[in-house]
Amino acid sequence: GDSVTQMEGPVTLSEEAFLTINCTYTATGYPSLFWYVQYPGEGLQLLLKATKADDKGSNKGFEATYRKETTSFHLEKGSVQVSDSAVYFCALSQNTDKLIFGTGTRLQVFP
Amino acid sequence: NAGVTQTPKFQVLKTGQSMTLQCAQDMNHEYMSWYRQDPGMGLRLIHYSVGAGITDQGEVPNGYNVSRSTTEDFPLRLLSAAPSQTSVYFCASSYFSNQPQHFGDGTRLSIL
Repeated sequence: GDSVTQMEGPVTLSEEAFLTINCTYTATGYPSLFWYVQYPGEGLQLLLKATKADDKGSNKGFEATYRKETTSFHLEKGSVQVSDSAVYFCALSQNTDKLIFGTGTRLQVFP
Repeated sequence: NAGVTQTPKFQVLKTGQSMTLQCAQDMNHEYMSWYRQDPGMGLRLIHYSVGAGITDQGEVPNGYNVSRSTTEDFPLRLLSAAPSQTSVYFCASSYFSNQPQHFGDGTRLSIL
């Protein structure tokens, strides 16, 4: 079945460092791909999305490119801030009425 | 605009007790879903609904019931709580299932 694999955390960075969180997926068709972010004590919020191959989603300085040849959707940010500390979830959706999440990656950014 | 509202925010139950977690959305979304979040396991789909009167099972439905009598509400029922159901529960909604979902703030449930 469809699945999403994320790098294990926590990812610990200093402020202004470059961030990459890896995400790969397994799916039979052409899924839509998402990154969600969860701040402490809150629900998940959509961060960005891509719906077809080579699409780049971007928001708040974060970017991810839908790479069908490598089945990947890695999240990147050029310069992280302390306020980016959160748990990040990669997810996929096909026409199956279900959103499939990865296990989440905790990011900790220190001043 | 309230979005997705979950109540209660916290609850402690004894094994065998029953309770209902409430979820309401005011965005006229057709699709609603319930997830549980456990450490190291991400979010797992419990039940979902593509519209009023229609529900279906997700990945981990055992021990939970749902109904969808209106577009706005999608309650989750635990008929006989078990310690394995200790978790954080999230309700989410969207216009359609393949659209980005809006999440509530969660209900933290502990079963003793």
